[in-house]
Amino acid sequence: KNQVEQSPQSLIILEGKNCTLQCNYTVSPFSNLRWYKQDTGRGPVSLTIMTFSENTKSNGRYTATLDADTKQSSLHITASQLSDSASYICVVSARSNSGYALNFGKGTSLLVTP
Amino acid sequence: SQTIHQWPATLVQPVGSPLSLECTVEGTSNPNLYWYRQAAGRGLQLLFYSVGIGQISSEVPQNLSASRPQDRQFILSSKKLLLSDSGFYLCAWRAKGTGLYSNQPQHFGDGTRLSIL
Repeated sequence: KNQVEQSPQSLIILEGKNCTLQCNYTVSPFSNLRWYKQDTGRGPVSLTIMTFSENTKSNGRYTATLDADTKQSSLHITASQLSDSASYICVVSARSNSGYALNFGKGTSLLVTP
Repeated sequence: SQTIHQWPATLVQPVGSPLSLECTVEGTSNPNLYWYRQAAGRGLQLLFYSVGIGQISSEVPQNLSASRPQDRQFILSSKKLLLSDSGFYLCAWRAKGTGLYSNQPQHFGDGTRLSIL
């Protein structure tokens, strides 16, 4: 069964600090992995995408890593800002005969405090 | 540029009442369209997807239905709402990429918060 597990479930950090969010998956056959940011009451917005051959991808202060062998990904946020407070969702795409199946994690809720 | 609109943003409905949520996409043609539900503390659950006008695929059995009367319009409906239908409903679109294994991203609307009383 394809699953995506994210940890921690929630996280509180001080403004300016760094943090790392984890995503472990058992999705096969793997196609790609995306990290989304979802502000409260809004739809998710894509931050990064990584395919099997990519092990790191940056988007400003966000850096995602992928270890396809251990089926783990992380999202590192550098010098956090109040606007980083949001839910971060890991989505792993599996190839199928009909196209793609998206497998969503439950998300990590991040709160950045002053 | 492409945009996606969902309305209403918030809806409070009594049990047993009908439902109609609308989603429209601008700036693209022939997109794949999706309806998701996001319950509190849970991941996004795919409800329906559509690859074209009148083509609807249902992912989970439920009392909801979807329709695509126009290329860029996707409607989520119910004849009689249940308490368990409460949640955050998200519409998304994705461009059809070249080849079977498209890596095109999904673009989400801002969702409808549905509360059933």
